[in-house]
Parts: sequence; C-alpha cells; structure tokens
Amino acid sequence: ETGVTQSPTHLIKTRGQQVTLRCSSQSGHNTVSWYQQALGQGPQFIFQYYREEENGRGNFPPRFSGLQFPNYSSELNVNALELDDSALYLCASSIWTGANEQYFGPGTRLTVT
Amino acid sequence: GESVGLHLPTLSVQEGDNSIINCAYSNSASDYFIWYKQESGKGPQFIIDIRSNMDKRQGQRVTVLLNKTVKHLSLQIAATQPGDSAVYFCAEKGYGNKLVFGAGTILRVKS
Repeated sequence: ETGVTQSPTHLIKTRGQQVTLRCSSQSGHNTVSWYQQALGQGPQFIFQYYREEENGRGNFPPRFSGLQFPNYSSELNVNALELDDSALYLCASSIWTGANEQYFGPGTRLTVT
Repeated sequence: GESVGLHLPTLSVQEGDNSIINCAYSNSASDYFIWYKQESGKGPQFIIDIRSNMDKRQGQRVTVLLNKTVKHLSLQIAATQPGDSAVYFCAEKGYGNKLVFGAGTILRVKS
C-alpha cells in the first residue's frame, strides 16, 4: 500500500452541484497529480501541483480546479457537475515533478445523477 | 496528438507461464514509457519504466521492450502468478511531465 490517502471513498452528487475531493500525499513527496479514470479506461491527467502552484494541466475545463497546501496535501474541486464527471478520481504523489514513479491513492468514486 | 493504446484488451495465461502485454504509442517525442498495474479497488502501481534511448530494461520478473521503429512497447512477466492478475496500463511521459495512459489490458491468471 502507498502512503497516499484520499477522502471520501465514495460520493454521490446531483448535476450542477459542486464537489471537493481531498488527498494526502506520501511523506516526503512535494508533488501531487490528479487523474480522472472513467470506467474501463486508463487514467486521464487533470493537473499537477508543486509548491502550491498548478504545474501543468490536461484537457479539462476551468470548472476543474485545485489547491495544494503547505503540507503538500491537495484538493480537487469540480463546479457545475455534469453526468460525464462520474468517474474514479485518483490522486498521485511523487518526489519531484518529473518522476515516472507516482504513488497513487485508492481513489474517490464520484457518481453524478 | 498523443495517444497510447493496447492491442489486446484481455489476456488469459496459465499460472507459471510467461505473459506478454503489448502497447502501441503514437508520440515519438516521449522521453519515457512506463508500465503500471492496477488491482481491483486500488490505484495504479508503478512497475517499470524505460527511457526512449533504450530498447530493453529488466526488473524483478519483468522485462520491458521498446521498439521505436514500429512505436511498440511490451511488458513481459516471467512465471506469471495469481497475484499478477490485474489491469496493466502503459503510459508515456508527455509534454510538461504529464503521464498519458492507454486504455489497459486485463491479465487473468488461471491456476
């Protein structure tokens, strides 16, 4: 098991609502990346945070936003939820921004109805 | 654009046999290619990576082969065990250090 934890485990929201997902990185890791994994697909990169700043972003709209805190934990916020946002959201921490070995948490399963 | 895909969505092997999981990629500019394993209910777990200037790299019971001529990547698992049953993803290091994952291959190990 990695030292990356995510909360909550499962979440059900209604279309149009807002959601905040949380991630605690592994000790010693200063970089956090967020991924969206739809059922039966590979993870899709949302963005990466390093030193509390966004450090790279995938093809996701601005309603996906994030934060990183001084202790390197992170939040993913999604506004105006859409049905297609239903997915497993994965957080991964790494020892530096270019690391190939990322340590993933178990994910948060978000269902939008 | 970038895309990474897999030839076989499901692979079934007998315990003790060797497994080969294949992957095709399209971005010749990627610096690294990486394999991840995802077990049910867990996040992906790093297995092994290979730099684009290499054609082979070995780890513990795993070997990754890179053929840049045909843009093909493979993961070989020796003496496959029941604990190897999982979904395997290849990924490439894209622009800005982001990982671009393929769709995945399910590996089923029969005892």
